[in-house]
Amino acid sequence: DAMVIQNPRYQVTQFGKPVTLSCSQTLNHNVMYWYQQKSSQAPKLLFHYYDKDFNNEADTPDNFQSRRPNTSFCFLDIRSPGLGDAAMYLCATNAGSSYNEQFFGPGTRLTVL
Amino acid sequence: GNSVTQMEGPVTLSEEAFLTINCTYTATGYPSLFWYVQYPGEGLQLLLKATKADDKGSNKGFEATYRKETTSFHLEKGSVQVSDSAVYFCALPESNFGNEKLTFGTGTRLTIIP
Repeated sequence: DAMVIQNPRYQVTQFGKPVTLSCSQTLNHNVMYWYQQKSSQAPKLLFHYYDKDFNNEADTPDNFQSRRPNTSFCFLDIRSPGLGDAAMYLCATNAGSSYNEQFFGPGTRLTVL
Repeated sequence: GNSVTQMEGPVTLSEEAFLTINCTYTATGYPSLFWYVQYPGEGLQLLLKATKADDKGSNKGFEATYRKETTSFHLEKGSVQVSDSAVYFCALPESNFGNEKLTFGTGTRLTIIP
């Protein structure tokens, strides 16, 4: 059974048109992460929530926002997508310790036209 | 903070060959170490981990030993299969103080040819 679910798997949007990607988890984990992964690169952390505490990475553009309405769900909002935002977006969870693994969803492939 | 250096790819091997993908780390203390695998079009999956020095993680025929003397966590498999074709990432916590963020290596793309 899937533990970290991302919808949709593929998203096409137009340049400048806001888009929202969603993630849900059945693990009841404290921490949820959003990563951006471009071709042939390692995942790049955009931000994460520890419970309701939002932690933004210093180099994450303002164009990227996130919401976590409850433990199970987390959303990534891209306010004005540019061509450079085309990437795979990965959601992950963690039980809250550096000893524990991160569980990743299958990702959403975003295309910007 | 902690950091990891991973062998550059791509790596191409024939089926049943022996695999080594090198990973060395810089860290204070002895953080947990992880290998993640990413199959085409998918998210990352934990392949194996080791939580303390001299531990050996193993899964699906892959092994890695946490070696504090050489600060290494090399990934090995004795006989690779076509289905092992994927990108492999070495990772460790960004810092040792209850930090839940990971630092990833650059990834090594592995292709196995029949």
